[in-house]
Amino acid sequence: NAGVMQNPRHLVRRRGQEARLRCSPMKGHSHVYWYRQLPEEGLKFMVYLQKENIIDESGMPKERFSAEFPKEGPSILRIQQVVRGDSAAYFCASSHRGPSGGTQYFGPGTRLTVL
Amino acid sequence: DQQVKQNSPSLSVQEGRISILNCDYTNSMFDYFLWYKKYPAEGPTFLISISSIKDKNEDGRFTVFLNKSAKHLSLHIVPSQPGDSAVYFCAASALDKIIFGKGTRLHILP
Repeated sequence: NAGVMQNPRHLVRRRGQEARLRCSPMKGHSHVYWYRQLPEEGLKFMVYLQKENIIDESGMPKERFSAEFPKEGPSILRIQQVVRGDSAAYFCASSHRGPSGGTQYFGPGTRLTVL
Repeated sequence: DQQVKQNSPSLSVQEGRISILNCDYTNSMFDYFLWYKKYPAEGPTFLISISSIKDKNEDGRFTVFLNKSAKHLSLHIVPSQPGDSAVYFCAASALDKIIFGKGTRLHILP
């Protein structure tokens, strides 16, 4: 029973390029969450998705960032025209139920470095 | 506006003693609380949770206490072991939202 998978584990991009981060939730989980962790800071919520729907994107920057969780395939966090400030660890989590009463299980993260 | 606060950025505890990590929250709508442990370069690992209808939940060396009137929860680890050295995050959730604290770095001293 595989856990939450994220790829790539490390991603290097130059300023202005696009970054695509993938997350495959645990089997049977239909709720996916994305978080960002900046150096020496905690986990900052970005977006919560439930199969094909964005439930809460209050933590997502208004520009350049988008997320999707299609009916088939992994959830994708897309960052367009990356800047140095986007360098961070991005974690995905999944749960069987929604946030209230649903335990989230995290993937290993994708470490994005913008040169 | 931090809805979930972990006021101690770090904590050092002697091996074998009790580690107590604290967390405060402001939103009385939160009804489910969780603790996660994180090692460097890894994702957070779920440790233990508690529903707002309870005031204590125990799992092996880990016990979480919830004081709803004070809007405070704590994680007790006893006895503390070297492998417990990590960053601990508390989280609180309600309906469609979950909020994490900034974490407390626990050092277990030999």
